[in-house]
Amino acid sequence: EPEVTQTPSHQVTQMGQEVILRCVPISNHLYFYWYRQILGQKVEFLVSFYNNEISEKSEIFDDQFSVERPDGSNFTLKIRSTKLEDSAMYFCASSEARGVGEKLFFGSGTQLSVL
Amino acid sequence: TQLLEQSPQFLSIQEGENLTVYCNSSSVFSSLQWYRQEPGEGPVLLVTVVTGGEVKKLKRLTFQFGDARKDSSLHITAAQPGDTGLYLCAGAANTGNQFYFGTGTSLTVIP
Repeated sequence: EPEVTQTPSHQVTQMGQEVILRCVPISNHLYFYWYRQILGQKVEFLVSFYNNEISEKSEIFDDQFSVERPDGSNFTLKIRSTKLEDSAMYFCASSEARGVGEKLFFGSGTQLSVL
Repeated sequence: TQLLEQSPQFLSIQEGENLTVYCNSSSVFSSLQWYRQEPGEGPVLLVTVVTGGEVKKLKRLTFQFGDARKDSSLHITAAQPGDTGLYLCAGAANTGNQFYFGTGTSLTVIP
């Protein structure tokens, strides 16, 4: 069964460093998302992406964050200068179509730890 | 941002018991989804409900969407240890299609 894959599964970085989280969405999907989940808290929407541009972003997704689809298969989330509070599980998701009944498929996540 | 409150936050029951978890909001949703998440994994979609009053069954799981499309419930009959996990609801508003997640219910089924 097709699945969303994320790498790395764990990422440890120093505060102030840049990190890039990578995702390979399901191949025929057109809509891509990043969510994050701080330990013990709810899953929070960060950004949605379609047709090579951001469709929607939350207040969490500030200037330190960016997304890119560099080569038609990968979908990346970059955090320019990490902060301690960026420590969380980051989930990539993709869907084939939007609207009522949209089905989101999630990856297994990247656990980011900022020291 | 639509606020979805789930209750209870934590639930621990014996195998074979029945349970219901709730997802409530003051906002109206065009559709609402339920997910199950296991530790270290991403959420996995269980069901989508789109019509007010809709009831969907998935084996021992029964999902209901409120008539006003502001709330939903998940009922599990004869819970099994394999049902253990974090249950999340997620709603998409009428004005947009972005899904926002609820606060989650952590279920533990004790053998």
